[in-house]
Amino acid sequence: EAGVAQSPRYKIIEKRQSVAFWCNPISGHATLYWYQQILGQGPKLLIQFQNNGVVDDSQLPKDRFSAERLKGVDSTLKIQPAKLEDSAVYLCASSSGLAGGAYEQYFGPGTRLTVT
Amino acid sequence: AQSVTQLGSHVSVSEGALVLLRCNYSSSVPPYLFWYVQYPNQGLQLLLKYTTGATLVKGINGFEAEFKKSETSFHLTKPSAHMSDAAEYFCAVSEGTGGFKTIFGAGTRLFVKA
Repeated sequence: EAGVAQSPRYKIIEKRQSVAFWCNPISGHATLYWYQQILGQGPKLLIQFQNNGVVDDSQLPKDRFSAERLKGVDSTLKIQPAKLEDSAVYLCASSSGLAGGAYEQYFGPGTRLTVT
Repeated sequence: AQSVTQLGSHVSVSEGALVLLRCNYSSSVPPYLFWYVQYPNQGLQLLLKYTTGATLVKGINGFEAEFKKSETSFHLTKPSAHMSDAAEYFCAVSEGTGGFKTIFGAGTRLFVKA
């Protein structure tokens, strides 16, 4: 079974530029998560989708971050414009069950973003 | 509101020694508890989880954790450390069903000395 795929793996941009990350979850997984992991911290949930609907985006900085999950499969996360504090690893995860709860989340390798 | 505290950002043990990584949580309802491991340049992967039932949970690679409700703890242990156990370990809590998010602790980096 193929795992969660993410691209790009690394990205360096200047502040005020825009950037987009792509995630392809495990086939058949209903729930998809985007996390931000700042160096030295645990992953922080940005947004979670169940199929193509948003379940929780309470911690997504909506003035600059946006995300979509078209057709309940792939997802993109966009930052526009980027700030220095957005430098982090962006993790995508998916699970077979309902958002939250007892289901294991499967994580992709992440995209390391550096904003200069 | 749920939260997770991992005591010690770094833990160092000798190969063959006991591994103990501490996790305390706060939750207003019986939680689901998880330990994930992150090896360098890899995504997080599940070590073990507690949902209901037996409070001592066994996971992969010889790790186990015990849910202690009275202490609001879910400490991770392994009787004998191996060099390959060097990684970052995250404790996580998820409340209830559908729509609740999973909260991760800050992580504990485990170093194993030869």
